[in-house]
Amino acid sequence: ETGVTQTPRHLVMGMTNKKSLKCEQHLGHNAMYWYKQSAKKPLELMFVYSLEERVENNSVPSRFSPECPNSSHLFLHLHTLQPEDSALYLCASSQGRRGSLYEQFFGPGTRLTVL
Amino acid sequence: EDKVVQSPLSLVVHEGDTVTLNCSYEVTNFRSLLWYKQEKKAPTFLFMLTSSGIEKKSGRLSSILDKKELFSILNITATQTGDSAVYLCAVGEGSSNTGKLIFGQGTTLQVKP
Repeated sequence: ETGVTQTPRHLVMGMTNKKSLKCEQHLGHNAMYWYKQSAKKPLELMFVYSLEERVENNSVPSRFSPECPNSSHLFLHLHTLQPEDSALYLCASSQGRRGSLYEQFFGPGTRLTVL
Repeated sequence: EDKVVQSPLSLVVHEGDTVTLNCSYEVTNFRSLLWYKQEKKAPTFLFMLTSSGIEKKSGRLSSILDKKELFSILNITATQTGDSAVYLCAVGEGSSNTGKLIFGQGTTLQVKP
């Protein structure tokens, strides 16, 4: 256990559905991240939140909508996804916002399949 | 464009062997280099390196960074079947002060009994 939990662990949805992924960290960190991991590709950073403020949006399509209500919780709202969005979605958190001097701790991921 | 390249992409060894995994990078505003181990779940943190030439060690694993030649290696000695995993290298990029990590594609290690 890394102190970062994600729900659900598996999700199958149709292209017209709306669903949300949830991430919670119990480490007292103040930065949280969403990554996408597709087969045969490196982890891709999607969003960064630092002290509940979105500080990075890595050219992610608008069908992905993040929300960070407080420093312990992070959501990824999904709507009208495409089959190519099927991937493992990983959440991570880190201690500080000062560049990359703090390791990131990852949750177990949500395996998303879009039919 | 910033990039991180790992080699080899996959590796099969037998228990007891020693392996060396490579990570090279081209990142404009380098802050740190991190190694993670990923089995069928969350990547777990192994090492963070920020200074050249200083080896970090944890049991049978060790890693070192060369900031002049822009690469790092991860060594695993006396490998065990439990070392089978994908090993991820990531470089911390500091221009935006957001803790952005740029990942390589990973090296898949299989250790056979």
